[in-house]
Amino acid sequence: QLQLQESGPGLVKPSETLSLTCTVSGGSIRSSSHYWGWIRQPPGKRLEWIGIIYYTGSTFYNPSLKSRLAISIDTSDNQFSLKLTSVTAADSALYYCTREFTTSGVVDWGPGTLVTVSS
Amino acid sequence: EIVLTQSPGTLSLSPGERATLSCRASQRVASNYLAWYQQKPGQSPRLLIYGASTRATGIPDRFSGSGSGADFTLTISRLEPEDFAVYYCQQYGDSLKTFGGGTKVEIK
Repeated sequence: QLQLQESGPGLVKPSETLSLTCTVSGGSIRSSSHYWGWIRQPPGKRLEWIGIIYYTGSTFYNPSLKSRLAISIDTSDNQFSLKLTSVTAADSALYYCTREFTTSGVVDWGPGTLVTVSS
Repeated sequence: EIVLTQSPGTLSLSPGERATLSCRASQRVASNYLAWYQQKPGQSPRLLIYGASTRATGIPDRFSGSGSGADFTLTISRLEPEDFAVYYCQQYGDSLKTFGGGTKVEIK
């Protein structure tokens, strides 16, 4: 059974960089059949797709975040990561790491990690 | 960006009743790549339906999806106590995947 687990600071100061890591267990991150990704949910708001990465390192980002976003993958550690620069209060949200398939959407979700942007 | 509008915002029903949830897209969803997710308080979303009408692994057959193009429906034939939750639709046919605002199914 594949499991995803987010980790990272729960509090980030405005203008700094938000960094999160997702550890994949129960399966290899080096799979060609799906993508690894990030989705966030600000309090009381709808889910927002952030972006995805393929095991080769190819990425697809939400255009609204692209200038501040970097998603990377570490196949040796079975992890992938998110970095979001110049954060503001609007980036406060519950961040989920995910596994998604081209034809079936987001199949697996991590439990989520709450990130608050505040001084 | 494809905007998804879900209605109603809240559905108040009793166990055993039928629930019909709507998801309307601002433009046609490519390949009918439309998914439905269920989210309970304090939990991550769970995939129910993909490809507009295919149930995900382990999803009971009281959940069904229908529709095509820009209009989609999730039907729960007979509500069980564990079905009271928030439901989201998502289109993943576009390079920018987007979600609807959700429909809360609450106990009447």
